[in-house]
Amino acid sequence: NAGVTQTPKFRVLKTGQSMTLLCAQDMNHEYMYWYRQDPGMGLRLIHYSVGEGTTAKGEVPDGYNVSRLKKQNFLLGLESAAPSQTSVYFCASRLAGDRDEQFFGPGTRLTVL
Amino acid sequence: GEDVEQSLFLSVREGDSSVINCTYTDSSSTYLYWYKQEPGAGLQLLTYIFSNMDMKQDQRLTVLLNKKDKHLSLRIADTQTGDSAIYFCAENVAGRRALTFGSGTRLQVQP
Repeated sequence: NAGVTQTPKFRVLKTGQSMTLLCAQDMNHEYMYWYRQDPGMGLRLIHYSVGEGTTAKGEVPDGYNVSRLKKQNFLLGLESAAPSQTSVYFCASRLAGDRDEQFFGPGTRLTVL
Repeated sequence: GEDVEQSLFLSVREGDSSVINCTYTDSSSTYLYWYKQEPGAGLQLLTYIFSNMDMKQDQRLTVLLNKKDKHLSLRIADTQTGDSAIYFCAENVAGRRALTFGSGTRLQVQP
């Protein structure tokens, strides 16, 4: 099992450009999440999904969109990137039960100039 | 996550014990977790404790939970340089679909 993978690992964008971050998991997990990590602020939840075809807003959803067309994939889109979106983005997945471990991907480092 | 708070930094000497503290606010927490993040990597689960337990030990790791004070701690015995990382506590609250993470404690182990 590859676990949770993220593509790309690094990206530099100019303000106003768009991009999509891809997250894939091969563990048949129901729940998937996108977080951003900024220094001193821990992990903040952007959007999440509790199953194929469903999405929900997290703590900081503005400026991002997501889609979960297939159970194994969760896409995070930035339609018009801003410097405030410079961050490290982590995807995570989890089965569905309370005790179930949340598995994290290796992260994508995004810089918006 | 403002519901979960941690101190930002802890420095210890190699061989000493480290204690990382965490406070949470929601009394409906069912499970509490400790994750470790090494430089340039994602988070990995270290251990977890069910809310009806007071203590859990796993080799060098001891987790203590004080439900009355909503306080969680992680003790690492015989701390090694390889333990240098950021440690996050997280809570799972009944009915919520996502864990709430603290801001992380950076542990620096000096030789």
